[in-house]
Amino acid sequence: AQSVSQHNHHVILSEAASLELGCNYSYGGTVNLFWYVQYPGQHLQLLLKYFSGDPLVKGIKGFEAEFIKSKFSFNLRKPSVQWSDTAEYFCAVIVSGTYKYIFGTGTRLKVLA
Amino acid sequence: EPEVTQTPSHQVTQMGQEVILRCVPISNHLYFYWYRQILGQKVEFLVSFYNNEISEKSEIFDDQFSVERPDGSNFTLKIRSTKLEDSAMYFCASSAGGGARPTIQYFGAGTRLSVL
Repeated sequence: AQSVSQHNHHVILSEAASLELGCNYSYGGTVNLFWYVQYPGQHLQLLLKYFSGDPLVKGIKGFEAEFIKSKFSFNLRKPSVQWSDTAEYFCAVIVSGTYKYIFGTGTRLKVLA
Repeated sequence: EPEVTQTPSHQVTQMGQEVILRCVPISNHLYFYWYRQILGQKVEFLVSFYNNEISEKSEIFDDQFSVERPDGSNFTLKIRSTKLEDSAMYFCASSAGGGARPTIQYFGAGTRLSVL
């Protein structure tokens, strides 16, 4: 069965630190990849997506992610985090031709001011 | 920006009761979804719905669950006889496309269902 792993469950950083959140998936075929963010009390918002083309994708709020097909990874990065980035981050994969997102467990990020 | 809206934000019910969770998808979207997240666990897919039919469902989505688009704007999830283990956050989502075409799903803020 397809699965998505996020290895960091809780991350605490100081403002201006760099961020990298890991995401690995298990499926050998064509996938579309997503990172969503959920601020407290709010809905899941799309940060960025990869469908095809340049494996380095840029999203909103200064986030980027790199799709490395050989490693089945789609890690999220931000060079300098802000206090307002405190949220939960979800990696998701959709297998081409299906309808369902397969989510990772989520990473709770706390940024200290 | 258009949003998916879900009501209520929190629903408390007694075990064995029926509940209906409501969602208003983004107006020009054609594909609709329900997901749930049990506390401390992953967000899990329940069902997708297109053209008034279920297009895909998970093993979680058993006979206790049903979905409906009763009019042109609402999309509902009904749990016929709730169990304690149905306590979770339920997310509705919608998308303009689906299946073979890459698409983005837009999520609501969720309904927290507490079964006592």
